[in-house]
Amino acid sequence: NAGVTQTPKFRVLKTGQSMTLLCAQDMNHEYMYWYRQDPGMGLRLIHYSVGEGTTAKGEVPDGYNVSRLKKQNFLLGLESAAPSQTSVYFCASRPTLGGTDTQYFGPGTRLTVL
Amino acid sequence: SQQGEEDPQALSIQEGENATMNCSYKTSINNLQWYRQNSGRGLVHLILIRSNEREKHSGRLRVTLDTSKKSSSLLITASRAADTASYFCATVVRGYTGANSKLTFGKGITLSVRP
Repeated sequence: NAGVTQTPKFRVLKTGQSMTLLCAQDMNHEYMYWYRQDPGMGLRLIHYSVGEGTTAKGEVPDGYNVSRLKKQNFLLGLESAAPSQTSVYFCASRPTLGGTDTQYFGPGTRLTVL
Repeated sequence: SQQGEEDPQALSIQEGENATMNCSYKTSINNLQWYRQNSGRGLVHLILIRSNEREKHSGRLRVTLDTSKKSSSLLITASRAADTASYFCATVVRGYTGANSKLTFGKGITLSVRP
């Protein structure tokens, strides 16, 4: 199993450009999450999904959109990138059963907006 | 808003020594988890302790939880250079389970283990 993978690993955008980050998991997990990690801020939840076709806002959703068309994929979109969105983005997933709330993380995407 | 706050922010020790990291939180929790992040990598789950548990062990890791003080500690015994990483505590707030269960992370502790 590859676990949770993220594409791309690095990206540089100019202000106003758009892009989509792809997260894929092969563990058949129902729940998926997008976080951003900034220096001194820890991880903050952007959006999450509790199943195919569903999405919900997290702590810092402004400027981002998400889609979960397939159970294994969770896409994070930036329609008009801003320098404040320079960050490292992590995707995570977790199973429904087990009751542990443990999340499995991808390796991250480092995004720089100039 | 940050639910968990780790202490210290940075810790530097010699290989073979024990490392103790602390986490305090604000609201009642369902469980508390510790994660490790190696430089440039994603987070990896280390250990989970439920609100009705006081202590758990996993290999060289020992976690304690004091719900009356809203605090937890992570002890790594006989540290190794490979333990060098950032460590995060994350909480699941009481009452939020299943689909509503979300992890709230602290800012992390940077541990350096000198060979």
